[in-house]
Amino acid sequence: QSALTQPASVSGSPGQSITISCTGTSSDVGGYNYVSWYQQYPGKAPKLMIYDVTNRPSGVPDRFSGSKSGNSASLTISGLQAEDEADYYCSSFTSSNQYAFGTGTKVTVL
Amino acid sequence: EVQLLESGGGLVQPGGSLRLSCGASGFIFRNYAMSWVRQAPGKGLEWVSVISASGANTYYADSVKGRFTISRDNSRNTLSLQMNSLRVEDTAIFYCTKISRVPAADFDYWGQGTLVTVSS
Repeated sequence: QSALTQPASVSGSPGQSITISCTGTSSDVGGYNYVSWYQQYPGKAPKLMIYDVTNRPSGVPDRFSGSKSGNSASLTISGLQAEDEADYYCSSFTSSNQYAFGTGTKVTVL
Repeated sequence: EVQLLESGGGLVQPGGSLRLSCGASGFIFRNYAMSWVRQAPGKGLEWVSVISASGANTYYADSVKGRFTISRDNSRNTLSLQMNSLRVEDTAIFYCTKISRVPAADFDYWGQGTLVTVSS
């Protein structure tokens, strides 16, 4: 299976909004509403931030939101904060009963 | 509190074998699918394998198919990954993850990871 495509880096100033894209195919992102997003700090395990494209687990701030259109999904962080500086990965179920992760995006808060 | 604790990582030569284990607590283990995800040093996440709640169904990434075997013991709340014919490119931190619902891609809890180094 191939990795989903994400931009290597995205940056923004505190308070701004940023969007991270995640591009796949009709066999993964486009075929199922099973896209999730993970936040990972250096040296730490990933944390689930969004599941089923748009849903936030309990405890995740509502400035994190997800969406999908066709074969691409997006994670938007509104009101960017210093603590949001981390790596972000998307993930999707695939038609081969496998899972694919995105290539990862480093978010920098300027 | 959900806890996942991996063990079994270490240094192994190319072509060698290693068995990882993951002890689970804080949830009804037998009710949930479980998965292994790995991360090579300085690289991104790569899904490795998944096993259904009962253990009857298993799936693997193409990169490990035929070399790795996932299994579980629901009586001991333990997930395992038997890794054979290891390659240098298998060097990574291996994370044990719980899947909230199948087939959704929501790995809702992660262990702290165990490092596997394949080197001569």
